[in-house]
Amino acid sequence: GESVGLHLPTLSVQEGDNSIINCAYSNSASDYFIWYKQESGKGPQFIIDIRSNMDKRQGQRVTVLLNKTVKHLSLQIAATQPGDSAVYFCAESPTNTGTASKLTFGTGTRLQVTL
Amino acid sequence: NAGVTQTPKFRILKIGQSMTLQCTQDMNHNYMYWYRQDPGMGLKLIYYSVGAGITDKGEVPNGYNVSRSTTEDFPLRLELAAPSQTSVYFCASSTPGHLLGPQHFGDGTRLSIL
Repeated sequence: GESVGLHLPTLSVQEGDNSIINCAYSNSASDYFIWYKQESGKGPQFIIDIRSNMDKRQGQRVTVLLNKTVKHLSLQIAATQPGDSAVYFCAESPTNTGTASKLTFGTGTRLQVTL
Repeated sequence: NAGVTQTPKFRILKIGQSMTLQCTQDMNHNYMYWYRQDPGMGLKLIYYSVGAGITDKGEVPNGYNVSRSTTEDFPLRLELAAPSQTSVYFCASSTPGHLLGPQHFGDGTRLSIL
């Protein structure tokens, strides 16, 4: 079935470096994508989203890139900080007016920030 | 705003017992969702609701029931608890409309069935 997956289960990055977390999706009907951050014992926290009519979107220290040709999504974190250590999930959904946003989640990538 | 609030935070049940996981949101979101998250895995949708009085099954609804009598509350009921239902349960809400917005999550209920 359709699924969203991640290339790397664990990513170790030195403090101050940039982090890149990748995600592949297989549902060609998906046109809304979200990145969530989940800290231990907490619920997923929204980071940034992007719609399929965009290739790039920037937030505070984060950038999401969308390549629809190869069905690939990435999250870039600039100047990674210890507080960025968490599990990061990508999720995707087809957009249908008036219906719930039924997200499909990937399994997650753990980001470890080393000092 | 409190956002999405889930109670209890932890619970241990015996096989065959039943319980209700509570979820309430104060953001006036029409859409609400229940997910389960197994260790090392992503979230799987159990049930969702697009408004009061309307609910629908997600990917893994078996063994669960929901109701939506108000916009704010979306309780999840487990009948005849089984070990396979040991998991972390997350409730979420979002705004409806032409342009989807992100789902906002509570901090979860950690449930063990022994």
